[in-house]
Amino acid sequence: GAVVSQHPSRVICKSGTSVKIECRSLDFQATTMFWYRQFPKQSLMLMATSNEGSKATYEQGVEKDKFLINHASLTLSTLTVTSAHPEDSSFYICSALVSGWTEAFFGQGTRLTVV
Amino acid sequence: KNQVEQSPQSLIILEGKNCTLQCNYTVSPFSNLRWYKQDTGRGPVSLTIMTFSENTKSNGRYTATLDADTKQSSLHITASQLSDSASYICVVNPSGNTPLVFGKGTRLSVIA
Repeated sequence: GAVVSQHPSRVICKSGTSVKIECRSLDFQATTMFWYRQFPKQSLMLMATSNEGSKATYEQGVEKDKFLINHASLTLSTLTVTSAHPEDSSFYICSALVSGWTEAFFGQGTRLTVV
Repeated sequence: KNQVEQSPQSLIILEGKNCTLQCNYTVSPFSNLRWYKQDTGRGPVSLTIMTFSENTKSNGRYTATLDADTKQSSLHITASQLSDSASYICVVNPSGNTPLVFGKGTRLSVIA
């Protein structure tokens, strides 16, 4: 199956700093990628939909200025958590859609801890 | 509103026993339904995908069913193993350019 690589898998940062998470589709082109956040013992919550070459669409309650999404190519989308705070500590996962909208593949996830 | 509801929320079973997880959805239109296994701290891994016309699909010890008329799906795990302990998430893919709809998952614990 198609492979989605997410990096880093774990990151610890100081409060107030920014963290960038990368999501790459290794063997297919993904015109659309989704970014999710998962708090402990909760389900995946959609944060934003990222379309190549255009601005991301954010879900209600997600601050677009805090969670910067860039989808500059068909194989790479990045999520930058700016001025991170301890409450941003969570598990972030990307998902890439293969054209045709029937297949979705997930990255391995990134565990962000803000101290 | 598109929703996916899973039951039970959590489940504890003895190693070797069978179990069935339920998923009800109100998503429309419907393209397909997936069951994912998510180990703690890991990304979800797809177990099965069911399209509208499929009723049953097996993947090893996992068997998924789909009733598109009642909008219900189930995941049956046979002869459970300790490594089956994980969250099982039901995900429905609506047709068109819309995001996936996730259930909250069932947390399964298999004990010796």
